[in-house]
Amino acid sequence: SQTIHQWPATLVQPVGSPLSLECTVEGTSNPNLYWYRQAAGRGLQLLFYSVGIGQISSEVPQNLSASRPQDRQFILSSKKLLLSDSGFYLCAWSVHVGVNTEAFFGQGTRLTVV
Amino acid sequence: SQELEQSPQSLIVQEGKNLTINCTSSKTLYGLYWYKQKYGEGLIFLMMLQKGGEEKSHEKITAKLDEKKQQSSLHITASQPSHAGIYLCGADMYGTGNQFYFGTGTSLTVIP
Repeated sequence: SQTIHQWPATLVQPVGSPLSLECTVEGTSNPNLYWYRQAAGRGLQLLFYSVGIGQISSEVPQNLSASRPQDRQFILSSKKLLLSDSGFYLCAWSVHVGVNTEAFFGQGTRLTVV
Repeated sequence: SQELEQSPQSLIVQEGKNLTINCTSSKTLYGLYWYKQKYGEGLIFLMMLQKGGEEKSHEKITAKLDEKKQQSSLHITASQPSHAGIYLCGADMYGTGNQFYFGTGTSLTVIP
């Protein structure tokens, strides 16, 4: 079965410190991978989108970067966190299965920058 | 630009009232998905619509995909506090390659 692992679940980091959030997918190959950020009570803001290894599309300019070193691994990073980076981060993947597209989300990481 | 627009952005209703959330696409929808989420948690898949005119129900939640396949509505009958949360539509659209899009979200509050 397809599963998605995202960690850590919660993170408290000081301003100026680096960040690394990891997301791995199991049970599928060549998925499209996504990083989203969500502010409290709001919808999802697409940060990065990847169609394959080393292929990253950035939707919004910001203090964050993403990498896809392996087919089923997607990493969200920052060299120096800002207070405004606080939020809930979700990893997702989608893949075509026959004529359908299936999409799944990780359980998210709640990041607090202090 | 936002490929999938949801309206309203937020909604506050009294318990027992009906409500509707809309999801409008800029392109013809191949498949439309509805999710529910509470902030700080993962998304819960509700239902998926693919055929124009299709309608599906899950408990007191009904979703429709219009005939022209560019809009979906989610209707909740006799809302309850347990319905509160953020509702998100997601879609696979023609002419967009393999990318899966998510809507802007609708935050629903149900007042007892």
